[in-house]
This record gives sequence, structure tokens and C-alpha cells, in this order.
Amino acid sequence: DIQMTQSPSSLSASAGDRVTITCRASQSVLTHVNWYQQKPGKAPKLLIFAGSNLQSGVPSRFSGSGSGRDFTLTISGLQPEDFATYFCQHFYNSPPWTFGQGTKVEL
Amino acid sequence: EVQLVESGGGLVQPGRSLRLSCAASGFTFDDHALHWVRQAPGKGLEWVAGISWNSAYTDYAESVKGRFTISRDNAKNSLYLEMNTLRTEDTALYYCVKDRGSSAFSPFEDWGQGTLVTVSS
Repeated sequence: DIQMTQSPSSLSASAGDRVTITCRASQSVLTHVNWYQQKPGKAPKLLIFAGSNLQSGVPSRFSGSGSGRDFTLTISGLQPEDFATYFCQHFYNSPPWTFGQGTKVEL
Repeated sequence: EVQLVESGGGLVQPGRSLRLSCAASGFTFDDHALHWVRQAPGKGLEWVAGISWNSAYTDYAESVKGRFTISRDNAKNSLYLEMNTLRTEDTALYYCVKDRGSSAFSPFEDWGQGTLVTVSS
């Protein structure tokens, strides 16, 4: 199974900051990585798919990059509504479609 | 608007069974694969099972293989998860998830609000 490791597990930031979250796969997954946002008590929401593609309706301050084993989610200009937990996930080759352990972005 | 509404969760004793349902609306149901994803209290996300648009393909996490069965009824716009021989470690919020594509190999585009399963004696 492919393992997805996120870092950091949590971070503190202020509104307006640029935030970067990383995700490393245990083997190459090409660009087959998605990023999700989850707010407390809510379902996850797809932000970025296939490495760098912005899901419809997601603000352009969110961006994704990377290929192979290393991936990055960047939030440029953190907004109050962005304080949440973020998960990466691979969808390369075959299941299980594993998620990273999550990164909590706190004020 | 896409809606995925889960039901069937509850408190169940270890070793017993439970059947979850997901009623879908707001999209062409048989154009999309579907999944179940769970989240234990205070923990991360775990993919549980997936099914293709026509039920020809299903797959499961190792942790539930042989105990859980995913199925769908395209005529009823419904997804199901039959859970047998439940264990305490199956305690979680179970989400019904719509795949971006039809074959269960695409991003998880839409999520329901979840139904809570608690396995305890």
C-alpha cells in the first residue's frame, strides 16, 4: 500500500500569511494527489485534484504542486475561513486510496 | 445541487451487523462511482470501499475485506454498506462519497454529512 505522510501535523498562522503544507508518498504517484479541507463538524471538501487542478468554486488563493513523491498545498493570503484541517490523498494505480494524517491550520 | 444523505448508523454490539444507506440526488447517479470513507472520532480519514457506476467493480480496505459489502441500486439512486462481524475499531463517522468519474479511480468530488456507527458492548 502507498503511504502518504504530511508535515507539519499542525501549524499556527495569522490571517494574510502564506501557508505551505507538504505531503510525501511512499512511492511515486505521478501527479495523482488530491487535497481536501475539513472544518470542525463538517465533511471534507475537495480543493485540488491531480496535483495542481483547482476544483470548481475553490478560491484561487489555494494552489497545489508536485509530482512523483513530493507534493505541496499552498494557501496564499490565509483567510479566517481557511482555518481547518487539510488532508492529502493519492489515487494512483489501485486502492487503497490512502490519506495523509492531516495538517491542522490554527490561528 | 448534489445531495448525499447517509442513514442507518447507531449503537451496535461487537459481532453484530448493520446496514448503512446513502440516498443521492442532484446528479446523474449512474454516471458516477461511489465510495464509503470513515473517520474515527478525532482521527483521520480512511477509505473503506468503492464501487463503479455499474457495480462491475468493487474493492475494499484490508481492514474490512470479508466483513463489509458495498452495493448500489441505480434505480433507487442509493448506495449501501452491509457491515457484518462489527468490531470496536469500526466505530467511526461513515461518509458516502461521490467519485468524479465512473470507475472508482478518481477524486472524491462530493461528500455526505456522515452517519455515526458506534460499536460497543
